[in-house]
Amino acid sequence: DSGVTQTPKHLITATGQRVTLRCSPRSGDLSVYWYQQSLDQGLQFLIQYYNGEERAKGNILERFSAQQFPDLHSELNLSSLELGDSALYFCASSAGASGNTIYFGEGSWLTVV
Amino acid sequence: AQSVSQHNHHVILSEAASLELGCNYSYGGTVNLFWYVQYPGQHLQLLLKYFSGDPLVKGIKGFEAEFIKSKFSFNLRKPSVQWSDTAEYFCAVKDGSARQLTFGSGTQLTVLP
Repeated sequence: DSGVTQTPKHLITATGQRVTLRCSPRSGDLSVYWYQQSLDQGLQFLIQYYNGEERAKGNILERFSAQQFPDLHSELNLSSLELGDSALYFCASSAGASGNTIYFGEGSWLTVV
Repeated sequence: AQSVSQHNHHVILSEAASLELGCNYSYGGTVNLFWYVQYPGQHLQLLLKYFSGDPLVKGIKGFEAEFIKSKFSFNLRKPSVQWSDTAEYFCAVKDGSARQLTFGSGTQLTVLP
């Protein structure tokens, strides 16, 4: 158990819908990262938040957004879902902003039908 | 942008065989290097990491990796694999200025009993 908690573990939704994935970082960690793992794209970095502020942005679509709340949990919002958004979405956390050692959660499986 | 190459997509070994998985990266400056393992249906777990110092790094579960700067490589090794090592292995790199990890495409290891 890495200490990073993600909910829900599995989610099936229809195209065009919107979903929210939730992540609680390890106790004491201030940084949260979101990664997408799909068969064709591999592991892709989406976005990082550090202590409530966006710190780095990767290959995140405009239909996707994230935020980190004062209690340091984070949410990834995915809207206007397409079939190609089906993937495993990982949250990870680290103590600082530099991300030298990050710990991954178990992921949220999203299936868009 | 840096890239990470894992040339072996799928490796099949018998128990007790020796393992070496290749990882090459493109960035020429200071890098932090990682190997993660993902067991079926589970999250990514950190196997080992290299920041500086001795280029031969020992990790958990008997794995080790060698950083060869001149070859831009960080190959993962294990002298004798077990059936329980069946998993997907990801090499990841973080350069000095980046805050996120760049992952390779992964190598699926299957160990036959």
